[in-house]
Amino acid sequence: EAGVAQSPRYKIIEKRQSVAFWCNPISGHATLYWYQQILGQGPKLLIQFQNNGVVDDSQLPKDRFSAERLKGVDSTLKIQPAKLEDSAVYLCASSSRFSSGEETQYFGPGTRLLVL
Amino acid sequence: QKEVEQNSGPLSVPEGAIASLNCTYSDRGSQSFFWYRQYSGKSPELIMFIYSNGDKEDGRFTAQLNKASQYVSLLIRDSQPSDSATYLCAGTTQGGSEKLVFGKGTKLTVNP
Repeated sequence: EAGVAQSPRYKIIEKRQSVAFWCNPISGHATLYWYQQILGQGPKLLIQFQNNGVVDDSQLPKDRFSAERLKGVDSTLKIQPAKLEDSAVYLCASSSRFSSGEETQYFGPGTRLLVL
Repeated sequence: QKEVEQNSGPLSVPEGAIASLNCTYSDRGSQSFFWYRQYSGKSPELIMFIYSNGDKEDGRFTAQLNKASQYVSLLIRDSQPSDSATYLCAGTTQGGSEKLVFGKGTKLTVNP
């Protein structure tokens, strides 16, 4: 089974520029998550999709971040304009449910963003 | 603010020893807990999940959950240098939305 795919793997931009990240979840996974992981911290959820609907975006800085999952499969996360503090790894995850009922998230390789 | 707290370490153990990683959580409504391993520069990789009080064993790994004390732990028996990584504890939030709240992680070093 192919894992969660993300691109690009690395991105360097200057502040006030815009950037977009792409994620393709594991086939059949209805739930998709975007996380931000700052160096030395645990991942912080930015937005959660169930199919093409938003379940939780309470921690998404909506003045500069946007995300969509139009067809309920792949997703894009955009930052416009970027700030220095956006330098982080952006992780995409998708989840499936075990027979026991537990939902388990699997992470993609991440996109490392550096804002100069 | 729902939080998951971990000792950031670093925790250093000799090869073959038992490594004990601990985690506490503030949300009494949290139902399930997950341990992820994250090698430097890599993405988190699921090791185990636990949702019932008590112990759950998988190979060299044992997860322990005590909901009364709001405490989760991960024991790694016969630690190997390849176990050296940051271990992230995460718990679900109340309401069943499957949103995970992560701790900052504990860095483990296993010395040969």
